[in-house]
Amino acid sequence: EPEVTQTPSHQVTQMGQEVILRCVPISNHLYFYWYRQILGQKVEFLVSFYNNEISEKSEIFDDQFSVERPDGSNFTLKIRSTKLEDSAMYFCASTDLTVQETQYFGPGTRLLVL
Amino acid sequence: AQSVTQLGSHVSVSEGALVLLRCNYSSSVPPYLFWYVQYPNQGLQLLLKYTSAATLVKGINGFEAEFKKSETSFHLTKPSAHMSDAAEYFCAVTDPGSARQLTFGSGTQLTVLP
Repeated sequence: EPEVTQTPSHQVTQMGQEVILRCVPISNHLYFYWYRQILGQKVEFLVSFYNNEISEKSEIFDDQFSVERPDGSNFTLKIRSTKLEDSAMYFCASTDLTVQETQYFGPGTRLLVL
Repeated sequence: AQSVTQLGSHVSVSEGALVLLRCNYSSSVPPYLFWYVQYPNQGLQLLLKYTSAATLVKGINGFEAEFKKSETSFHLTKPSAHMSDAAEYFCAVTDPGSARQLTFGSGTQLTVLP
């Protein structure tokens, strides 16, 4: 069964450093998403992406964040200058409208900013 | 704006007992509703979804949920809990037909006692 994959599974970085989180969505899906879950809190939407541009973004997704689909398979989330509060689990998801908007989630990347 | 309320951040049941996890939603349009399960250190797995067809929805692992418009509820049930059901459960809502973001509830941690 096709699944969303994410790399790395864990990332530790120093405050102020740039990180890139990578996702490979399911191959025939057209809509891509990033969510985050701070430890002990609810899953929060960050951004959605369709046709090589951002469809929606939340208040969390400020100028330090960016997304890109650099090739036909990868979908990346870049955090330019990490802050302590960026420490969270980051989930990638994808969907195709033919499956009635079921978003399929990857296993997540746990980011720890020191 | 949509919102989801999950009553009870922690629920404990005995093995073999009924599982009932509560979810109430607020939406300005008839929503799509989802239950996801998160096992420790893993991603989000879809349990079941309501997409305006049958109001009683059956999912994986013996779970089911009933959409009740009059009560704006989508409670998750399982007749007989198993130890392997111990996990965190998230209810989520989205607008239909738009591939828009999921709005999650705060989650319910289910503990199954032997």
